[in-house]
Amino acid sequence: GDSVTQMEGPVTLSEEAFLTINCTYTATGYPSLFWYVQYPGEGLQLLLKATKADDKGSNKGFEATYRKETTSFHLEKGSVQVSDSAVYFCALGNSGNTPLVFGKGTRLSVIA
Amino acid sequence: GAGVSQTPSNKVTEKGKYVELRCDPISGHTALYWYRQSLGQGPEFLIYFQGTGAADDSGLPNDRFFAVRPEGSVSTLKIQRTERGDSAVYLCASSPGRLGRYNEQFFGPGTRLTVL
Repeated sequence: GDSVTQMEGPVTLSEEAFLTINCTYTATGYPSLFWYVQYPGEGLQLLLKATKADDKGSNKGFEATYRKETTSFHLEKGSVQVSDSAVYFCALGNSGNTPLVFGKGTRLSVIA
Repeated sequence: GAGVSQTPSNKVTEKGKYVELRCDPISGHTALYWYRQSLGQGPEFLIYFQGTGAADDSGLPNDRFFAVRPEGSVSTLKIQRTERGDSAVYLCASSPGRLGRYNEQFFGPGTRLTVL
């Protein structure tokens, strides 16, 4: 079945450091790919998405490119802030309404 | 407008008891999902409704778990004879449910269930 593997955390970075969180997937067909974020004490929020190969999703300085050849959707940000401290989840959905398949999450802590 | 709401936010119960968890989706969303998130894990799918009917219940772990959505809006997740292993955060999400490639799922804040 479909699955998502993301790098384990926790990840601790200093403010303004470069962030990469790796995500790879296994899926039949042509899934849509997502990054969700869970800030402390809050619910899951969609951070960005890409619905087809070579699409780049971006939001709040974060980016991820849908790479079909490497089945990857790595999350990057050039300069993290303390307010980016959260748990990040990579996820896939295989068609318009199917349930999402999530990775285990990566906890990011950014220190000033 | 209002987002997805879930009640209660926290529920503590004893092993063997029955619990009900409620989800109010975004108005007009026809698709509704239940997920379970154990500590240190990502959300895992339980059941998905399209309107009043369960379109996919393959994620329900066993027959102690049941969910309903009788009027196509509010949904209730019911757990019978709770076990300590049921302790988790139960998440609800809704989406517009339109046919097509992608429908964003909007998540509620979750219900934290603790079984003592």
